[in-house]
Order: sequence, then structure tokens, then C-alpha cells
Amino acid sequence: SQQGEEDPQALSIQEGENATMNCSYKTSINNLQWYRQNSGRGLVHLILIRSNEREKHSGRLRVTLDTSKKSSSLLITASRAADTASYFCATASQGAQKLVFGQGTRLTINP
Amino acid sequence: DAGITQSPRHKVTETGTPVTLRCHQTENHRYMYWYRQDPGHGLRLIHYSYGVKDTDKGEVSDGYSVSRSKTEDFLLTLESATSSQTSVYFCAISQAGRDNEQFFGPGTRLTVL
Repeated sequence: SQQGEEDPQALSIQEGENATMNCSYKTSINNLQWYRQNSGRGLVHLILIRSNEREKHSGRLRVTLDTSKKSSSLLITASRAADTASYFCATASQGAQKLVFGQGTRLTINP
Repeated sequence: DAGITQSPRHKVTETGTPVTLRCHQTENHRYMYWYRQDPGHGLRLIHYSYGVKDTDKGEVSDGYSVSRSKTEDFLLTLESATSSQTSVYFCAISQAGRDNEQFFGPGTRLTVL
């Protein structure tokens, strides 16, 4: 069964706006990762946040992690048309060399 | 795509036929993974490998087998393809001790008629 559940399943915003996607998970984790998938392509790693971190930034990306609520959010600021893609969260549990992926959020940036 | 190739990229086959998908890496990463991606299910792990000849099952391993005889190659075999195995298959790799950040291949679209 899926570890991560993402919300919303689809999001459509105007270029320049901020996009926020959420991920909830069920069991304790070592880290949580976000990936992007452009249509017809493989996934690309965006950012990783460890269980002892609360917030992390990378360029226009900001990730937060709340282990007490077992949830994470990905914020993309000042969105661009090129950000149109599906975004997946994935969790890594301690000692397990596997990731469990959520179902993804499909983000559309309208010009 | 981080030195990962998948072949074939597209395949159409008939129910009951055997199918082998190949993943090849040039990164010398220890771990290799096979996922399938279906609408509404995200990515689900089929099998993974933690070294040459060392493999383990994932979430949806029934109907699939794998082999890894060399570090660079990880094969996924459908012994007798079924229509429920129509999917997009992704290979991924990761290094040991790197938080399991994974790098993905371009995918193989398999259609079983």
C-alpha cells in the first residue's frame, strides 16, 4: 500500500503564483523526498529533507516536514510554465533501502 | 538521465508471451530498482537489487522475476505477460549511504494485448 498520500491530486494556477502540495505518510521515516516528472519522462529528484529537519530550501522550492503530524509540504514560489509536471513525495524508512511513493500531484501552470 | 538507459522504450506484445526489459547503468551504483507506474497508483516497487545476484521483492512482485548478473544490468522478466501488466516501467538506481536518492531511467511503455 502507498505510504504517501498527496493532496491535491491536481492543481492549476496562473504563472507567477505560488503552488503548494502536501504529502502525508503513515510510519516513521528517515527522510522524505520530492520528485518531479515531466510528461513522458522519468522522475527527477528535487529535494530531500531528513526526519530531524523542519524546513529546507532549494532555489524556488521550500519543503517543510512535521513528523508529529506525519506530513510534508512542497512550496514552489513564482511558478513558471516549465514547472508544469507531476510531483511525487517519497519516504525512506530507517534501515530500508527502498522508497515508497505517493500517488502524485499534477501541477498545471497557466500562462 | 544520469547514465541510465532502458530497452526497449516501447513494446507491444500478446498475452501469454514472455517479455524481458533491460535496465543498464554506467554509474556503478549498488542499488537498482524496477517500478511500474499506473494511473491512480503512482509508482509501485516490483523488485530491487542490492548487489550482483542479490535481489528482493517489492510491493507488486507477483508475475515478475529479475536478474542481476553484472553491476550495470538489471533485467525484469514477465514470464507470461497478462493484460494487467500493461504499464509504464521505470528503472532507478541509487548509491549506498546516500539517503537513497534515486535516479530514474526514461521508462518503457509496455502494452499487453
